[in-house]
Amino acid sequence: NAGVTQTPKFHILKIGQSMTLQCTQDMNHNYMYWYRQDPGMGLKLIYYSVGAGITDKGEVPNGYNVSRSTTEDFPLRLELAAPSQTSVYFCASSYGGASTDTQYFGPGTRLTVL
Amino acid sequence: EDQVTQSPEALRLQEGESSSLNCSYTVSGLRGLFWYRQDPGKGPEFLFTLYSAGEEKEKERLKATLTKKESFLHITAPKPEDSATYLCAVQSPGGGSYIPTFGRGTSLIVHP
Repeated sequence: NAGVTQTPKFHILKIGQSMTLQCTQDMNHNYMYWYRQDPGMGLKLIYYSVGAGITDKGEVPNGYNVSRSTTEDFPLRLELAAPSQTSVYFCASSYGGASTDTQYFGPGTRLTVL
Repeated sequence: EDQVTQSPEALRLQEGESSSLNCSYTVSGLRGLFWYRQDPGKGPEFLFTLYSAGEEKEKERLKATLTKKESFLHITAPKPEDSATYLCAVQSPGGGSYIPTFGRGTSLIVHP
């Protein structure tokens, strides 16, 4: 199993541009998550999904959108990029629900907005 | 709202110098407490899950313990390869979603 894969690994975006960060998991997990990580600030949840067609906001959703059309894929869309969105983005997945739930993380996308 | 506080923010140790990292939490009904290790430039990697007060788990030089208010990650005779950021997260039924809440992490550097 490849686990959780993310593309691209690095990207530089100009202010006002848009882009999509890709995330795919091959573990048949129900739950998927997007986090951003800034230096010294830990992981902040942007959006999560409990299954195909179901998404919900996390702690810092402004400026982002998500969709979940399949179990495997959970893309994160940045519209009108701003310098404040410079960060490292991690996608994660888990079985989810009431059972104690280990998360599996992708390798991250390092995004710079200039 | 679940809260997780990790201390210290950063810790420097000499090789072989044992120490502990702390994770204090406030939740309404703990389902599980997780420890993750994160190497620079990589995603977090799962270490342990603890379910109830009094529980302990070990892996090589690491031992995680849990009380009703906090968890400790004890590192015995650390080596330079133990250098990483260690993240703590808690899971509870808050809002019905069971989404884990993370602390900010402890950055550990072990000098040879």
